[in-house]
Amino acid sequence: AQKVTQAQTEISVVEKEDVTLDCVYETRDTTYYLFWYKQPPSGELVFLIRRNSFDEQNEISGRYSWNFQKSTSSFNFTITASQVVDSAVYFCALNYFQETSGSRLTFGEGTQLTVNP
Amino acid sequence: DAGVTQSPTHLIKTRGQHVTLRCSPISGHKSVSWYQQVLGQGPQFIFQYYEKEERGRGNFPDRFSARQFPNYSSELNVNALLLGDSALYLCASSLVGTGNSPLHFGNGTRLTVT
Repeated sequence: AQKVTQAQTEISVVEKEDVTLDCVYETRDTTYYLFWYKQPPSGELVFLIRRNSFDEQNEISGRYSWNFQKSTSSFNFTITASQVVDSAVYFCALNYFQETSGSRLTFGEGTQLTVNP
Repeated sequence: DAGVTQSPTHLIKTRGQHVTLRCSPISGHKSVSWYQQVLGQGPQFIFQYYEKEERGRGNFPDRFSARQFPNYSSELNVNALLLGDSALYLCASSLVGTGNSPLHFGNGTRLTVT
């Protein structure tokens, strides 16, 4: 069975602080994909990043960076110099795919990030 | 290009009624998936369709059904509505139906069952 755990339910920071959102996953698959999505109050889930299980390189995109560590089954997300517009719920997700049962995402419970001015 | 569009945006129904939710994928995307998101929780997988065929079904009762049309749009139907069906229903599309293709989500339909 697949499982994604986001232990931080809510995080509150002051603008310009750095913040890290934790994600731990469980899977028996050797090939899998991990994702981060952002959900602003409007409800739409916005795709941020995809990482496959064979690529452990960290990635940086502007103020966003991701640290994938297969040894600890973690895929953490860091926002540098946070801004008020970063306030949203962030979801970590693990993809499950089989020819017989299709493709589906297993989401964590989400972390509500509030960035105060 | 337009993103994933869902209709209606909000819906209020009474217990026992049925509901149809609609979704248009991003142009060129052949896979459509449906997710249910109860307030305060992460989305839960309901269905995946690819090339008009059901490829996967989540742990939902038979009251939930869906289909995909030749133009790749999709409908989600829920019969005999229960209070517990109140949720945000999200549709997502992807280029192909495999794990490496990111899902692109619509704004969702917020269903309230009274």
